[in-house]
Amino acid sequence: AQSVAQPEDQVNVAEGNPLTVKCTYSVSGNPYLFWYVQYPNRGLQFLLKYITGDNLVKGSYGFEAEFNKSQTSFHLKKPSALVSDSALYFCAVRADTGGFKTIFGAGTRLFVKA
Amino acid sequence: DGGITQSPKYLFRKEGQNVTLSCEQNLNHDAMYWYRQDPGQGLRLIYYSQIVNDFQKGDIAEGYSVSREKKESFPLTVTSAQKNPTAFYLCASSTARRGMQETQYFGPGTRLLVL
Repeated sequence: AQSVAQPEDQVNVAEGNPLTVKCTYSVSGNPYLFWYVQYPNRGLQFLLKYITGDNLVKGSYGFEAEFNKSQTSFHLKKPSALVSDSALYFCAVRADTGGFKTIFGAGTRLFVKA
Repeated sequence: DGGITQSPKYLFRKEGQNVTLSCEQNLNHDAMYWYRQDPGQGLRLIYYSQIVNDFQKGDIAEGYSVSREKKESFPLTVTSAQKNPTAFYLCASSTARRGMQETQYFGPGTRLLVL
């Protein structure tokens, strides 16, 4: 069965510091991995995805994520956090053996302090 | 939130009442989805549709119904059989050309509350 784990409910960082939001996954078959961000009372906004190729994926707003097949991880990173990055972040996975479903993690709330 | 609109933004349901949430997209996407979001949980799939006049149950379809008569529209009805409907409902769409690789784009959501 497919699953996604975001081990941290909340991540706190100071503005200007690097940030990491962790994600691990379990699928049968090739994984397609996504990161979304959600601001209060809004829908999800797409940040980036890994399909194939280069393990380092660059996305919107300066975010990037590294696909690590051996550790089955897809951590989201940003070199220098902004207060405006404070939001709820979701990791999601699809697999080519999983039908049309996307499995979402429970979300990690990021607080960036000025 | 792209070219996906959801209405209303807030919806109140009385006991025993069916209510319908609207989802419209102008992105020419073939696939559409309905998710339910509860605090502290990820999104859970209610129904999805890959093509007009066809839809499939997701993980939590009980107490919900959908229709897909037009490519642009995918309304969700929350029936009286859904005993715990209070949640944030999100509609999404994607192209279907490359299947699993396609990004889903989300609407702004509807918050359903029970009176």
